[in-house]
Amino acid sequence: QSALTQPASVSGSPGQSITISCTGTSSDVGDYVSWYQQHPGKAPKLMIYDVSNRPSGVPDRFSGSKSGNTASLTISGLQAEDEADYYCTSYRSSTVVFGGGTKLTVL
Amino acid sequence: QVQLQESGPGLVKPWDTLSLTCDVSGYSVSSDNWWGWIRQPPGKGLEWIGYIYYSGSTYSNPSLKSRLTMSVDTSKNQFSLRLSSVTAVDTAVYYCARKPSAKGWFDPWGQGTLVTVSS
Repeated sequence: QSALTQPASVSGSPGQSITISCTGTSSDVGDYVSWYQQHPGKAPKLMIYDVSNRPSGVPDRFSGSKSGNTASLTISGLQAEDEADYYCTSYRSSTVVFGGGTKLTVL
Repeated sequence: QVQLQESGPGLVKPWDTLSLTCDVSGYSVSSDNWWGWIRQPPGKGLEWIGYIYYSGSTYSNPSLKSRLTMSVDTSKNQFSLRLSSVTAVDTAVYYCARKPSAKGWFDPWGQGTLVTVSS
């Protein structure tokens, strides 16, 4: 069982917005939450780091936030290419914890 | 541009030791970064294995710590993982990645290599 809880799946239509949650304890969901996108057969790609920062090259349609013990990844203006698995991760006491992953389906 | 590439046997026998190397190009492993390992069993989610600093300091997943050894070879600009006494549950795609700080994210990742544990 993952230390961070994500919904197994979410879906949305092109152009819509979706949000993926990542819930843990207060010690799990701190200032070092990051999010990764993984397409089938590919390596994960960093999309958000330190809760809400976007690496260079990541579209501004992707945004991250945190409230209490829950971090969130929001994708606005959904595109077909956004269909993938998404994982949250955080740092806790010198260890890294991953969420179980969320499959995003673009309808 | 930093690039990482995993290499090692694709098939390991039960109770043997799994050994993988991550070659780093475009960046020095001796720089102020950590270097990490993550794995993904077929059809399942990501699992953190551990990470290492070029000086040799390491942090490991408690569930793997007793079987895990990580090292850095600055002369070859690579870092390595050894996991002993493997069983079928260790079958996974193994990824290496750069970790800019101990508390931060992994980026970039290698393409991953599938290791199957089977006799």
